[in-house]
Amino acid sequence: AQSVTQPDIHITVSEGASLELRCNYSYGATPYLFWYVQSPGQGLQLLLKYFSGDTLVQGIKGFEAEFKRSQSSFNLRKPSVHWSDAAEYFCAVVDSGNTGKLIFGQGTTLQVKP
Amino acid sequence: DARVTQTPRHKVTEMGQEVTMRCQPILGHNTVFWYRQTMMQGLELLAYFRNRAPLDDSGMPKDRFSAEMPDATLATLKIQPSEPRDSAVYFCASGSTVVNAFTEQFFGPGTRLTVL
Repeated sequence: AQSVTQPDIHITVSEGASLELRCNYSYGATPYLFWYVQSPGQGLQLLLKYFSGDTLVQGIKGFEAEFKRSQSSFNLRKPSVHWSDAAEYFCAVVDSGNTGKLIFGQGTTLQVKP
Repeated sequence: DARVTQTPRHKVTEMGQEVTMRCQPILGHNTVFWYRQTMMQGLELLAYFRNRAPLDDSGMPKDRFSAEMPDATLATLKIQPSEPRDSAVYFCASGSTVVNAFTEQFFGPGTRLTVL
């Protein structure tokens, strides 16, 4: 069965520091991958997606992610974190049944220190 | 700016009462998903529809939950009777899915349900 693993439940970084959130997936073919962000009390907002093509994808709010097939990873990065980036981040992969159904990771909560 | 809307945003009710949550997907989207989010379980898929037909509702407790799409602009999730363990945030999401092709899911703001 497909799965998505986000190894870090909580991460704390200082404002201005770089950020990398890890995501590993289990999937047989080329996956369709997403990163969503959820601010407190809000719904999930799409940061970026990978369907095919260039393995380095750019998203909103200065985020990027790199698809590495050899490592089954899709890590999210940002060179300089802002206090407003404090939120919960979810990695997801589309279910192999071509339904559009998403398999989500458990999420990583990002705390930003001033 | 197209977005998914959900009503109500907050609902407090007593155990045993019926609760109905509504979702208006983005116009033109043919797939609708219902999720439940709790601290303990994270995001759980309850049910989803394509072209208004239910594809999978295996994530829902069948005895008390029901999901429908009476038309393309409205999806409903009903709980009857509600129980305290149903307290959670319920999200609706919509997307566009055709054979071997799909867009991302767009999420609504959620309905925060508290059952006393």
